[in-house]
Amino acid sequence: AQTVTQSQPEMSVQEAETVTLSCTYDTSESDYYLFWYKQPPSRQMILVIRQEAYKQQNATENRFSVNFQKAAKSFSLKISDSQLGDAAMYFCAYIGYSGAGSYQLTFGKGTKLSVIP
Amino acid sequence: NAGVMQNPRHLVRRRGQEARLRCSPMKGHSHVYWYRQLPEEGLKFMVYLQKENIIDESGMPKERFSAEFPKEGPSILRIQQVVRGDSAAYFCASSPSTGYTDTQYFGPGTRLTVL
Repeated sequence: AQTVTQSQPEMSVQEAETVTLSCTYDTSESDYYLFWYKQPPSRQMILVIRQEAYKQQNATENRFSVNFQKAAKSFSLKISDSQLGDAAMYFCAYIGYSGAGSYQLTFGKGTKLSVIP
Repeated sequence: NAGVMQNPRHLVRRRGQEARLRCSPMKGHSHVYWYRQLPEEGLKFMVYLQKENIIDESGMPKERFSAEFPKEGPSILRIQQVVRGDSAAYFCASSPSTGYTDTQYFGPGTRLTVL
């Protein structure tokens, strides 16, 4: 079974600084996708960035980038020039085949990010 | 282009009552997933449906929970005889097809509180 581990329950960053959130996962698959979702206080799940496992190039979306280390099964999220609006829970997720007919997301427990003005 | 719609956003039920949660997928999406988020936890998969079919309910509790996605209308997650432990946020996601390449887009969730 796939597992996703986020070892930092809480993090904080000064506004305009850079912060990195960690995520490790376990899978026996060779092709898969990884995601970072943001959940602000409104509780809406917002897709931040996704990474295809067969691509060696790290994904970037504006101020968000990932450091994907496939051999180490590590998938960290870097937020540059942090803004107050970045304060939220961040969930790392893996999509894999359930064995029962669906591709389902497996989520970590989340990292609560606070941004200090 | 509306996103995934869920209603109600908040639902309060007393123990023993029934809860019905509705989800309308994004336009053009025929694949619906339900996830549950318990307090201080990540989301956990419950069930995957296509129109008129339950494909994978491996994450659904065996009793009191059911789901449907009729030919017309929204997908419904139904919880009968609710108990306090059912209090959680329930999220629906949709995708245009199913596979590991397909991003699932989430609705705003329904927060169920059982008194």
